Amino acid sequence: GENVEQHPSTLSVQEGDSAVIKCTYSDSASNYFPWYKQELGKRPQLIIDIRSNVGEKKDQRIAVTLNKTAKHFSLHITETQPEDSAVYFCAASSNTGNQFYFGTGTSLTVIP
Amino acid sequence: GAVVSQHPSRVICKSGTSVKIECRSLDFQATTMFWYRQFPKQSLMLMATSNEGSKATYEQGVEKDKFLINHASLTLSTLTVTSAHPEDSSFYICSASQGSVGSGNTIYFGEGSWLTVV
Repeated sequence: GENVEQHPSTLSVQEGDSAVIKCTYSDSASNYFPWYKQELGKRPQLIIDIRSNVGEKKDQRIAVTLNKTAKHFSLHITETQPEDSAVYFCAASSNTGNQFYFGTGTSLTVIP
Repeated sequence: GAVVSQHPSRVICKSGTSVKIECRSLDFQATTMFWYRQFPKQSLMLMATSNEGSKATYEQGVEKDKFLINHASLTLSTLTVTSAHPEDSSFYICSASQGSVGSGNTIYFGEGSWLTVV
């Protein structure tokens, strides 16, 4: 199956700075790449996603970039705020296998 | 948006017994459902993918006879943990979609279920 790796596992930034989280995937057939924010014991919340026919997508302070050739995609959060502190997961899915795999997670702390 | 309901939210069972967790799509037909297990401070690990009316596809290392998955209707999938042991204690979460996620269908998550085996 798909192998999704995520880095870094922990990330601390000062309020107002940017945060970048990167993921790589192994299955070249993967074509859907969402990012989730999860609080402990709660369901993941979709914050942004990108499909393989797009290289970049932005929604206010959040953006995602995709490099299909290198098989990696990244989450960019600008002007970070304390409420952005959470665990973030990337995921990948393909049309062929119809599985849905998560990365290992990044614990983001925004320091006021 | 679409709603996926998961029950129970918390369950405690004795070692050696079985426990069933239900995942329901309330306002759409879920042709595909996914079951995940998440240990504290770890990622969501895909256990199996189930398509309505067919046998679930289990990930490598997941025991089919221990984690029974049934997806008998387009709105309900169940996960039964048989002969539970303390090491099965975890957060279990389901998700559902109307079709292939890679084809553009959105995936919706249940609230999750905390299982504690004593």
